[in-house]
Amino acid sequence: GAGVSQSPSNKVTEKGKDVELRCDPISGHTALYWYRQRLGQGLEFLIYFQGNSAPDKSGLPSDRFSAERTGESVSTLTIQRTQQEDSAVYLCASSPGSSYNSPLHFGNGTRLTVT
Amino acid sequence: SQQGEEDPQALSIQEGENATMNCSYKTSINNLQWYRQNSGRGLVHLILIRSNEREKHSGRLRVTLDTSKKSSSLLITASRAADTASYFCAISGGSYIPTFGRGTSLIVHP
Repeated sequence: GAGVSQSPSNKVTEKGKDVELRCDPISGHTALYWYRQRLGQGLEFLIYFQGNSAPDKSGLPSDRFSAERTGESVSTLTIQRTQQEDSAVYLCASSPGSSYNSPLHFGNGTRLTVT
Repeated sequence: SQQGEEDPQALSIQEGENATMNCSYKTSINNLQWYRQNSGRGLVHLILIRSNEREKHSGRLRVTLDTSKKSSSLLITASRAADTASYFCAISGGSYIPTFGRGTSLIVHP
C-alpha cells in the first residue's frame, strides 16, 4: 500500500518567510512524528501526535515552530519567520499504534533551504 | 539522555566482508530499533529488539542486545554494494518517542 508521503520534496525560501510542510501518514496509523535532520547529523525529535491526545511538543526548538494534525490524518508543520539555521531535512513518520514496539514508517522528507 | 550513540561513525569495507556497527545508550529501554537510510531518502526499519530479547535475525542481518552493558550491535553478513547507507539505532525508553543517534555511514566497495 501507499507509504508516508511528504510534500514538497524540496523547498527553497528566503529568510524571514513562513513555510508549511505537509505529511500524509499511512492510513490507519494513529501515531505521527516529526523529526529534523541537519546535514550529516542524526534525527532531532520535534513533535509527536497520538490519536486525539494532546501532542507532545517537547522537541520544538522555538515558538516559530508549530504543527497540527486533525484526527488521524494529514499533519502540517509550520515554520514562521524562517532562519538559516532552519535549513535541514524534515522527516515525518507514522506508526500503527501507541505500543512501544511499533516500528516507524518514514517519508522521504522535505529538504528545506533558507537563503 | 536516551539517545543511542553509534560506533564507528564511518565504516568502509569490501563486498563480501561482514560489517559490524555498535550502539551504546545510558538509560533503561523498552526496545531498540535499527534503521537504514539511503542518501536523500527516509529511514527504513530493519529490526526491533525488545529489552527481554538477546538476539534477532532477519536475512543477512543479526542484532544482539546486552542490557547489562547497555549496548547493541548490528552485523551485516556477506555485504553488498547495495548495503551502502547510513545505519541508525533508535532507543525507546519511558516514552513512545524513539530517539536516534548520529548514525554509522557504511560504504561497501564492489
